[in-house]
Amino acid sequence: AQKITQTQPGMFVQEKEAVTLDCTYDTSDQSYGLFWYKQPSSGEMIFLIYQGSYDEQNATEGRYSLNFQKARKSANLVISASQLGDSAMYFCAMRGPSAGGTSYGKLTFGQGTILTVHP
Amino acid sequence: GAGVSQSPRYKVAKRGQDVALRCDPISGHVSLFWYQQALGQGPEFLTYFQNEAQLDKSGLPSDRFFAERPEGSVSTLKIQRTQQEDSAVYLCASSLTQGRAILNYGYTFGSGTRLTVV
Repeated sequence: AQKITQTQPGMFVQEKEAVTLDCTYDTSDQSYGLFWYKQPSSGEMIFLIYQGSYDEQNATEGRYSLNFQKARKSANLVISASQLGDSAMYFCAMRGPSAGGTSYGKLTFGQGTILTVHP
Repeated sequence: GAGVSQSPRYKVAKRGQDVALRCDPISGHVSLFWYQQALGQGPEFLTYFQNEAQLDKSGLPSDRFFAERPEGSVSTLKIQRTQQEDSAVYLCASSLTQGRAILNYGYTFGSGTRLTVV
């Protein structure tokens, strides 16, 4: 079974500084995808960044980058130059598992990390 | 529509009442997922539709939960005889395609329905 672990219930960062949100995963699949989502208090899940298991380079999307260490099974999110609007819940998620050779694409989520950005 | 729309936004139900939660996915999206998110937790998978076919309902917590997508577009999640433990946010997500190809297109989530059972 797949499992996502986010060990930081809450994180604090000063505005304009960088912050790293931790994510470790466990899977027996060789091919998988890792996602990070932001969930503000309004409730919707906002896609931030995606990393495929076979991607050789770490994914980057603007101020977001994913520090992917496959051997350690970690996929940490780095937010550079934090902004007050970054305050939200952040979820790491994995696509899978496969069922009978077919992956329906369902996501397994971690418990989330609440990020608070201080002015 | 431009995004995934869920209604109602909030629902308060008395214990034992039946409820129906609606999800309008993005037009043309093949895949539709329902997730349950308890307070302070990550979303948990409930069920998956590929067009009108329900291919995976392994996450439905009991036979009180039922989902349908009869014409391959709008989906309804029905909960019969609601219990307090059903209180959660119910999220719907859709994707243009299915299986591994989802990686190329990603998912679009709705804002969810917050269900409170009193």
